[in-house]
Amino acid sequence: DAGVIQSPRHEVTEMGQEVTLRCKPISGHNSLFWYRQTMMRGLELLIYFNNNVPIDDSGMPEDRFSAKMPNASFSTLKIQPSEPRDSAVYFCASKSRGGPYEQYFGPGTRLTVT
Amino acid sequence: RKEVEQDPGPFNVPEGATVAFNCTYSNSASQSFFWYRQDCRKEPKLLMSVYSSGNEDGRFTAQLNRASQYISLLIRDSKLSDSATYLCVVTGGSNYKLTFGKGTLLTVNP
Repeated sequence: DAGVIQSPRHEVTEMGQEVTLRCKPISGHNSLFWYRQTMMRGLELLIYFNNNVPIDDSGMPEDRFSAKMPNASFSTLKIQPSEPRDSAVYFCASKSRGGPYEQYFGPGTRLTVT
Repeated sequence: RKEVEQDPGPFNVPEGATVAFNCTYSNSASQSFFWYRQDCRKEPKLLMSVYSSGNEDGRFTAQLNRASQYISLLIRDSKLSDSATYLCVVTGGSNYKLTFGKGTLLTVNP
């Protein structure tokens, strides 16, 4: 079975540009999470979707960040406009309905904003 | 106080050594506890859950002390392939939200 799929794997962009990160969760999983990882702050939850509905976006740093989940198999995280401090690895993770808490992470998108 | 605090390391140990990692958490309402492993430039993956009675999975033993809000991971007979960052993970009052420690880097040397 395919795991969580993320694209692009690497993104280099200039400050002020729009960045869109994409995620396809594991089929049948109904929970989706976006995380950001930096050396300074570690791994932080940005937003959590359950059944395609945003449940907790308290970790979204500011209005420049937005996330959508139009259907059960696709989610996007958008940064507009991007800033150098947004440079990080962004992970998407999914979890199955009920059951154990294990979250399955995608390979991440390494974002560099110059 | 940070929600989840870990000994940052790094730990450099020879093959065959026993190494222990510690973690404390601040939210007494935390319900579930885990150790995740993250290889360099890879995604985190679940290593094992941590139960109140303690649990063992091969060379790995996890312990939980709810009164002290303390979690540990013991690795026996360490292998080169154990080299990774070990993340202590706790759920808060909400059962979906995982709070990660910043991780402890382990390098096992030949």
